[in-house]
Amino acid sequence: SQQGEEDPQALSIQEGENATMNCSYKTSINNLQWYRQNSGRGLVHLILIRSNEREKHSGRLRVTLDTSKKSSSLLITASRAADTASYFCATEKIQGAQKLVFGQGTRLTINP
Amino acid sequence: EAGVAQSPRYKIIEKRQSVAFWCNPISGHATLYWYQQILGQGPKLLIQFQNNGVVDDSQLPKDRFSAERLKGVDSTLKIQPAKLEDSAVYLCASSLGSTPLHFGNGTRLTVT
Repeated sequence: SQQGEEDPQALSIQEGENATMNCSYKTSINNLQWYRQNSGRGLVHLILIRSNEREKHSGRLRVTLDTSKKSSSLLITASRAADTASYFCATEKIQGAQKLVFGQGTRLTINP
Repeated sequence: EAGVAQSPRYKIIEKRQSVAFWCNPISGHATLYWYQQILGQGPKLLIQFQNNGVVDDSQLPKDRFSAERLKGVDSTLKIQPAKLEDSAVYLCASSLGSTPLHFGNGTRLTVT
């Protein structure tokens, strides 16, 4: 079963603008991760935020985590055409089967 | 470091036929995963190996799917017999610990 729900399902912006994607989940987690998938390729790990962290930065990426609302957001600043891809959040559960569960993804298109 | 290798890249078969996919993880990665990704959805875990032992196969349709990881290195995933709904991309991933996951480019299976 899918744990994370990304919003929006699709996002189209102009190059240079910021892109924000959201992820909501249902159960308690150890950490939440974001992955990128270019068309026809495998997923690439972008960033991991632990349950006791609220914000994390990596280059042009900023991730926030609100465990009380069971939600996370991924912000990509100053977008580039090369950022065009699908972005998935994945949650690592504290216990039980299916330790890393992916959401449905947000398809991001950057228009030049 | 060489990435996760998967073959074949594409496969087209008729329903009720059998098919096998191969994966070679990153050297030294003890954990290996097979995910199924249906078009427009996020990856769904089929099976997780730790060395050559199965950690989680709760979502593997065991009446038709099987997987093995002999000698704790490369792995094969088999479908027999295939159904139309098995059309998907089959992604292999590996990790040193539990995260992050390193994905191969996948095998795109079309069942006609």
